[in-house]
Amino acid sequence: EAQVTQNPRYLITVTGKKLTVTCSQNMNHEYMSWYRQDPGLGLRQIYYSMNVEVTDKGDVPEGYKVSRKEKRNFPLILESPSPNQTSLYFCASSTGVGYTFGSGTRLTVV
Amino acid sequence: GQQVMQIPQYRHVQEGEDFTTYCNSSTTLSNIQWYKQRPGGHPVFLIQLVKSGEVKKQKRLTFQFGEAKKNSSLHITATQTTDVGTYFCAGPDSGGSNYKLTFGKGTLLTVNP
Repeated sequence: EAQVTQNPRYLITVTGKKLTVTCSQNMNHEYMSWYRQDPGLGLRQIYYSMNVEVTDKGDVPEGYKVSRKEKRNFPLILESPSPNQTSLYFCASSTGVGYTFGSGTRLTVV
Repeated sequence: GQQVMQIPQYRHVQEGEDFTTYCNSSTTLSNIQWYKQRPGGHPVFLIQLVKSGEVKKQKRLTFQFGEAKKNSSLHITATQTTDVGTYFCAGPDSGGSNYKLTFGKGTLLTVNP
């Protein structure tokens, strides 16, 4: 089944403890992206990748890192999470027409 | 930066009523995309419009792209409870590349059976 898989689905962590949210797609898509969704703010793009080893900042990249070493994987790294990064995170991939989204990761930073 | 605005923010209808959400961009768009997110779910791609004045239909859903390619609308005829969710429009950056996509804040549709 064609899909974008994110892990974990839920995560509660403490301020400053490094974490990684994994994202993998099995559709051979070139484009991948991370979004965060917050009430009243909608979906905001954090980082995106046009292909392997090519990434760029979205609208809200502060406090996040990404890497694209392989086409299928696009992990999101929070080096020192803070409470304002508590959010619902979506990974998505695309060939260029329409993003396919993962099921989301609900992150709480206390 | 580019802004994509949607109205209304919320809309509650009786089942069988029609529903329309509107999307406006601060810049001319090379294309516009529409997504639906069910409560507790993830956004699901519905359609992409590319041409000025384009109209596309998917069963009871009608999508329109404005002549100036700065606005778009989604119209649902005779809503059903299965239409409940948030509808988002999204546009690419000024270069027209769909990897950098800006979403509107969405319109939450609720349907009273």
